[in-house]
Amino acid sequence: EAGVTQFPSHSVIEKGQTVTLRCDPISGHDNLYWYRRVMGKEIKFLLHFVKESKQDESGMPNNRFLAERTGGTYSTLKVQPAELEDSGVYFCASSQGGGTTIYFGEGSWLTVV
Amino acid sequence: DQQVKQNSPSLSVQEGRISILNCDYTNSMFDYFLWYKKYPAEGPTFLISISSIKDKNEDGRFTVFLNKSAKHLSLHIVPSQPGDSAVYFCAASAQGTYKYIFGTGTRLKVLA
Repeated sequence: EAGVTQFPSHSVIEKGQTVTLRCDPISGHDNLYWYRRVMGKEIKFLLHFVKESKQDESGMPNNRFLAERTGGTYSTLKVQPAELEDSGVYFCASSQGGGTTIYFGEGSWLTVV
Repeated sequence: DQQVKQNSPSLSVQEGRISILNCDYTNSMFDYFLWYKKYPAEGPTFLISISSIKDKNEDGRFTVFLNKSAKHLSLHIVPSQPGDSAVYFCAASAQGTYKYIFGTGTRLKVLA
């Protein structure tokens, strides 16, 4: 069974540009999460989808970040326009239900220069 | 305000000895806790979990202890192996929520 897959694995963009990260959750997992880790700090929650609905987006830093999950399958996280402080690793995770184990992807490393 | 704290950024242990990684939390509503291991350039990998109805959960070399009154959990690895060298994160969630709060991680180095 395939795990959570993320694309791209690495991205270097200039400040002001746009980047779109994609996440494919484990098949059958209705819950999909985005997290971010910045320079050795904690893994911070960004938002949570149940199927195509946003359940909690309290962790989204600002309106430059837009997450979608059309059709309730894969999800995208767009950063537009990117700023230097957006650099970090963006992890996607999925789970079957809430209060259960969440499984992470390898992460998308974003560097904004 | 950090709700989940891992106060030791790093830990070194001799191979074969016990590794003890600690985690403290402040939110009394947390009722489900997980430990993840993370190697460089990889995503966190689930290790072991514990629900608040238990005070101990064991899986092979890994045991997690939960002390609810102290709002403290610990991960014991016995015996420690060089392959255990990684960053370990604890995470917590409250019943009815789907939001996992992570600590800042502890880097474990197991010396051969």
